[in-house]
Order: sequence, then structure tokens, then C-alpha cells
Amino acid sequence: EPEVTQTPSHQVTQMGQEVILRCVPISNHLYFYWYRQILGQKVEFLVSFYNNEISEKSEIFDDQFSVERPDGSNFTLKIRSTKLEDSAMYFCASSLRQGYGYTFGSGTRLTVV
Amino acid sequence: AQSVTQPDIHITVSEGASLELRCNYSYGATPYLFWYVQSPGQGLQLLLKYFSGDTLVQGIKGFEAEFKRSQSSFNLRKPSVHWSDAAEYFCAVVDRGSTLGRLYFGRGTQLTVWP
Repeated sequence: EPEVTQTPSHQVTQMGQEVILRCVPISNHLYFYWYRQILGQKVEFLVSFYNNEISEKSEIFDDQFSVERPDGSNFTLKIRSTKLEDSAMYFCASSLRQGYGYTFGSGTRLTVV
Repeated sequence: AQSVTQPDIHITVSEGASLELRCNYSYGATPYLFWYVQSPGQGLQLLLKYFSGDTLVQGIKGFEAEFKRSQSSFNLRKPSVHWSDAAEYFCAVVDRGSTLGRLYFGRGTQLTVWP
């Protein structure tokens, strides 16, 4: 069964450093998403991406965040200057059609120290 | 405002017992409805989804869910729980009228299974 692959599975970074979280969506999917889950809280939407541009972003997705699909297979989330409160599990997801079905990756646990 | 409510934070059941996890939503129209499961250290796995048609939906691992429009609910059920079902369960919705496909999640219900 096709999978969404996320790397790394865990990342520890110092506050103020830049991090890039990587995702390989399912190859024929067209819509790509990032969500995050702070420990003990609900899964929250960050951003959706379609046709090489952001289609929606939440209030969490401020100027410190950016997404890119650099080569047609990878989908990355960059946090420019990490804060302690960015510590969370970050999930990538992809879907073939909007609202129809989403496949999630296993997540990257980001710890900012 | 759109919201998804899972009123039970933690449920404990004995192996072999039946299970029902509750989910209520608040939207103007019936959204698309999903249940996901997250095992420790794992990603979110889709158990089942409802778009239209038969209000009783069958999913993987023996789970089913029933959509009740009058109650704005989409409760997840399993007749006989196995120890491997211990995990966190998330109800999620997508606004049917949305062109963007954003998922809204409930807070999750942690399921513990006693042997």
C-alpha cells in the first residue's frame, strides 16, 4: 500500500535554529498538507499546498514557516527560527482529491531546546 | 464556529468488551467525516470515512461508525475489543462546501484495553 514517508522521525534543535522537515507524498497525489500536534493537544492544520502554491494556511503558519515542493516528489516544511513552542509532532499528508481521503505520514517529532 | 467534540478523553475497557467512542460536530451542513487511529510512535491511520449514502460505515480492523444527522454525531464502535486496539482515536471532519480540504480534528480519545 502506498505510503507517505517523513524524515527524520525525531529532530532536536536549539532555539533560533532553522529546521527542515521532509516528506515524500504518494506519487500520484495532488494535494499536500502539514499538520502538527503539540503534546496533549489536538491535531492542528498548518497549511495546504496544491499546484505549486499554498492554497490555505492557518493562523499558526506565520512568516517563520514556509513550504516547498522542490523537485516534484519531496514536500518540505521549513521553520526559519525555531521557538520552544514549535516543539510538536509534525504530520505530512497527501490526497488525490480534496476532502476525499488523506494519507498521513508517521510524523516528525521536533523538540526545540 | 466549526468544531469537533470528543467528550471522552480516556476510556478503559476489558479485552472482548464492546466499545463506543463518541464524536459530535458543529457545522452548517453535513461535513465529510473520518475516524483516525494513532498508535504510540505511529502516524495517523484512517479507520473509516463517511461521505454519503448508508449511514453505517464499515472500516478496517473490525470498526464501524454510524452517522446520525439528527444528533450531529459520528460514533465509532467495535463489538469486541482486542488488546492491540489500545491507541488514541481521532474524529475529524472536512467542510463539504470547502474547496480546500482542510481537516478539523477532535481532541482525541485515549483507549486503554485491560487483558
